[in-house]
Amino acid sequence: GQNIDQPTEMTATEGAIVQINCTYQTSGFNGLFWYQQHAGEAPTFLSYNVLDGLEEKGRFSSFLSRSKGYSYLLLKELQMKDSASYLCAVRVHTPLVFGKGTRLSVIA
Amino acid sequence: GAVVSQHPSRVICKSGTSVKIECRSLDFQATTMFWYRQFPKKSLMLMATSNEGSKATYEQGVEKDKFLINHASLTLSTLTVTSAHPEDSSFYICSANKPSGSTSTDTQYFGPGTRLTVL
Repeated sequence: GQNIDQPTEMTATEGAIVQINCTYQTSGFNGLFWYQQHAGEAPTFLSYNVLDGLEEKGRFSSFLSRSKGYSYLLLKELQMKDSASYLCAVRVHTPLVFGKGTRLSVIA
Repeated sequence: GAVVSQHPSRVICKSGTSVKIECRSLDFQATTMFWYRQFPKKSLMLMATSNEGSKATYEQGVEKDKFLINHASLTLSTLTVTSAHPEDSSFYICSANKPSGSTSTDTQYFGPGTRLTVL
């Protein structure tokens, strides 16, 4: 089977940095995705890693280590609007296999 | 990016009626679309994979006669919830695979979702 683990909830302060971890054990690997989902809305694509290393996109960065089955999403200069669920998803084949999501609360 | 639309965004219906939800890829052709449902504060649950021109593939435990899927064109898939009951109330989300030439690098883009409430 496929297993993707990420923390259920996290809280961080406005302006700070937060790292959301994701570990996976899957039967194959063709890339790891991070999505952001606000309450009552559909997920929106944030980032994609298929090779080891760090991908940076503005305030958001995503890291992948395939040998460790590990990824993290790093959010810098947190804003209140970053309060949302963050979904880690692995492509084994089609479709993506999703983790349960991490609910991030940004407080003042 | 890529745009996927979904219609309607909200629907309230009486128990026993059928509801059709449309999913369209607006700026790309999608041979494969996916239908998910999501309960409050829960993760996405894949219901079925919709393939253009062929029958949908349903996940275990999803009733194909209750959730009818039609993928009539490369830009449109529909999900019909037949004889809806209150337990079918949920957030239904479609996504479309934007092709890149290789299935290992395709990206899934999500529609905005449809909130179904069955009274």
